[in-house]
Amino acid sequence: DIQMTQSPSSLSASVGDRVTITCRAGQNLSNYLNWYQQKPGKAPVLLIFGASTLQSGVPSRLSGSGSGTDFTLTISSLQPEDFATYYCQQSYSAPWTFGQGTKVEIK
Amino acid sequence: QLLQESGPGLVKPSETLSLTCTLSGGSISSSSYYWGWIRQPPGRGLEWIGSIFHSGRTYYKSSLRSRVTISVDTSKNQYSLRLSSVTAADTAVYYCARDRPAAGMRWFDPWGQGTLVTVSS
Repeated sequence: DIQMTQSPSSLSASVGDRVTITCRAGQNLSNYLNWYQQKPGKAPVLLIFGASTLQSGVPSRLSGSGSGTDFTLTISSLQPEDFATYYCQQSYSAPWTFGQGTKVEIK
Repeated sequence: QLLQESGPGLVKPSETLSLTCTLSGGSISSSSYYWGWIRQPPGRGLEWIGSIFHSGRTYYKSSLRSRVTISVDTSKNQYSLRLSSVTAADTAVYYCARDRPAAGMRWFDPWGQGTLVTVSS
């Protein structure tokens, strides 16, 4: 199974801050990397697929980049609705695996 | 398209967990999609369990393969998960989600709201 490691596991930030979350894969994924947002008690929501393509309806302050083994999710100006847990997921090789999550909290 | 999980919220150890996912606003027979199950133990991360194509072709996580069966009922626009010989470690929120393939990639969108299944006597 492909191991996915996110860093940091949690972070505290203020509204307006630029936030970057990193996801590292145990092997080359090309760009087969997705990002999800999950709020407490809710199902995950797809944000980005193919490492950098924003899902329809996702605000442009979110962006994804990277290829191979190293990927990032960036929020350019953190908004109150962005406080959540973020997961990366690889679809290069089954079984599809997720990172352990990064919780973005209010400072 | 909307997905909705249903099934018992409490299962006894060693018994079989059974859940159904009902699709509305679309057809589960669509040749464009797979249909997946993902679970999340309380306070923990996400784990893909398996996916099914409308033809019945299935893909399972290898560590669960001996206990998992995913099936599809196109007449009811539903697909189902059965997990046998459950233990407390199988306690989790179970999500169904559309497993979309495109350009060789796969992603999950949308997801059902999830249903908590507790394994306890």
